[in-house]
Amino acid sequence: SQQGEEDPQALSIQEGENATMNCSYKTSINNLQWYRQNSGRGLVHLILIRSNEREKHSGRLRVTLDTSKKSSSLLITASRAADTASYFCATDEAGNQFYFGTGTSLTVIP
Amino acid sequence: DAGITQSPRYKITETGRQVTLMCHQTWSHSYMFWYRQDLGHGLRLIYYSAAADITDKGEVPDGYVVSRSKTENFPLTLESATRSQTSVYFCASSHPHYEQYFGPGTRLTVT
Repeated sequence: SQQGEEDPQALSIQEGENATMNCSYKTSINNLQWYRQNSGRGLVHLILIRSNEREKHSGRLRVTLDTSKKSSSLLITASRAADTASYFCATDEAGNQFYFGTGTSLTVIP
Repeated sequence: DAGITQSPRYKITETGRQVTLMCHQTWSHSYMFWYRQDLGHGLRLIYYSAAADITDKGEVPDGYVVSRSKTENFPLTLESATRSQTSVYFCASSHPHYEQYFGPGTRLTVT
């Protein structure tokens, strides 16, 4: 069974708008990571947030983590057409098990 | 070149044949991983390795075999390929509990 589940499954926004996607998980984690995948390509790491952190920023990305609710969110501000991709959360669980969610497909319309 | 590579990039094989997918990384990462990606399932961990000669099962290990005799290599073998193993396979590497770096993937079709 998968650990991380993203919501929404698909998101379509206009260029310049913000995009928010959410991830829920089921058990204790060491850290939670977000990845991007462009069509037909490998995954690229975006940001890692550890279980003792609540918020992290990287450029236009902002990630929050609420361990009491077992949830995380990824905010992409001022979106660009180049942000069009699938976004996955992944949980690094105790025992070295690593689970990816099914992803959010983001389309940014120019 | 530094990085993580996979070979072959594309493979078509027949049911029952043995297939080996190769993965090579130049970062000296201790951890290496194999995932498969299927529509509707996201990425699922097949096997991982914490160091040379140490391997462990992931979420979907049945039908696969791995080995890690050298830190930089982590081959994945399908001993007797089945149609359900048609998928895109990704290899990744990392330091313990840090971000993973992914290869470009191998698209495998089992006919």
